[in-house]
Amino acid sequence: VQLVESGGGLVQPGGFFELSCAASGFTFSSFYMTWVRQAPGKGLEWVATIKQDGSEEHYLDSVKGRFTISRDNAKSSLYLQMNSLRVEDTAIYYCARDHLPFGSGSPLEYWGQGTLVTVSS
Amino acid sequence: DIQMTQSPSSVSASVGDRVTITCRASQGISSWLAWYQQKPGKPPKLLIDAASSLQTGVPSRFSGSGSGTDFTLTISSLQPEDFAIYYCQQANSFPLTFGGGTKVEIK
Repeated sequence: VQLVESGGGLVQPGGFFELSCAASGFTFSSFYMTWVRQAPGKGLEWVATIKQDGSEEHYLDSVKGRFTISRDNAKSSLYLQMNSLRVEDTAIYYCARDHLPFGSGSPLEYWGQGTLVTVSS
Repeated sequence: DIQMTQSPSSVSASVGDRVTITCRASQGISSWLAWYQQKPGKPPKLLIDAASSLQTGVPSRFSGSGSGTDFTLTISSLQPEDFAIYYCQQANSFPLTFGGGTKVEIK
């Protein structure tokens, strides 16, 4: 199982970013997928989760309306579109996979190495 | 939302010591609890799910217990590679929530 995030970098407040996560080594379409973030020196914070077929999405309140999680099962890829970025969105963003196929969304068994998003003027 | 409270926030221990970390949920979550270990510069690693089910490859010195609102992670004999930060996470409902973490440091 491999999860490889990409798309991080430096952006100004109010800006936009799209993160990607390329998955391999498992049947991507069978698993809930999740984004978790970690601000520098801080703990883990769940951001968003999407069901296997994309029919169900869940979001952290502070990102609702600004972030959109999506997936392309044909490409085994997970995405996070981030709009109206704030300084407090600065974090390492991890892509993570559910423990079981056709599970409930967590726990999170496999994690990518993460990609850093820095929101600063 | 379900709040997860971990204690202590840090613990200083020696190799061979027994270490216990507690996690309390703000409402009952049955056994829908997971424990993760995170080392510096690395992503978290799932140690235990369903409160007490050890993941494949995780040493047996790690154990989890509890149900409802109170849970514990125990390391029976601390090894050098166990110095890390440990997080609990409730898997009962969205939004998923993590505890604040417990840093296990070398005494």
